[in-house]
Amino acid sequence: IAGITQAPTSQILAAGRRMTLRCTQDMRHNAMYWYRQDLGLGLRLIHYSNTAGTTGKGEVPDGYSVSRANTDDFPLTLASAVPSQTSVYFCASSQTSGGAGNEQFFGPGTRLTVL
Amino acid sequence: GQNIDQPTEMTATEGAIVQINCTYQTSGFNGLFWYQQHAGEAPTFLSYNVLDGLEEKGRFSSFLSRSKGYSYLLLKELQMKDSASYLCAVSDSNYQLIWGAGTKLIIKP
Repeated sequence: IAGITQAPTSQILAAGRRMTLRCTQDMRHNAMYWYRQDLGLGLRLIHYSNTAGTTGKGEVPDGYSVSRANTDDFPLTLASAVPSQTSVYFCASSQTSGGAGNEQFFGPGTRLTVL
Repeated sequence: GQNIDQPTEMTATEGAIVQINCTYQTSGFNGLFWYQQHAGEAPTFLSYNVLDGLEEKGRFSSFLSRSKGYSYLLLKELQMKDSASYLCAVSDSNYQLIWGAGTKLIIKP
């Protein structure tokens, strides 16, 4: 089934631990994104990648890193988790990074709790 | 700074019409998106406007006025399944999406 998958679905993590959230898409989209969604706030962009081999910082990149070794995968790593990183994380992709009508498709999300 | 404003919550009756407003102030404008998000699920695309005017798609329509920095999403013949959050997002000068906090729509029988 075409789309975006994320893993894990949910995770409880001790503060200070390292964690990688996985994201894979099979639509051959060039651009991929990581967002966090917190109650009362809009989706906030953490990092993005316009094409394989390139990444960029979004609105809230601190404490997170990403890599884009190939078209399909875009993992997000928390090097040393802190409680403020408790959130729902969504991975998304789009055919291109710019241009009109560039609809983004979202994965099901990862609910992360840092204690 | 960049800002997207939409009401936090709205209530409407099944079968009725509801209009969800969105105002924006962004650095550049490359279109406005509306997404639907059911509780506990991912956002899904509803509509896209880049030119002024009304775009109709079935029971849903979206309007844009670039000079006023304003858009609305119109939902007709409301159904219980339309209970969800509706997210407004603007594509800025770098083609990054700036998101509003969303409007939670509650449909009552």
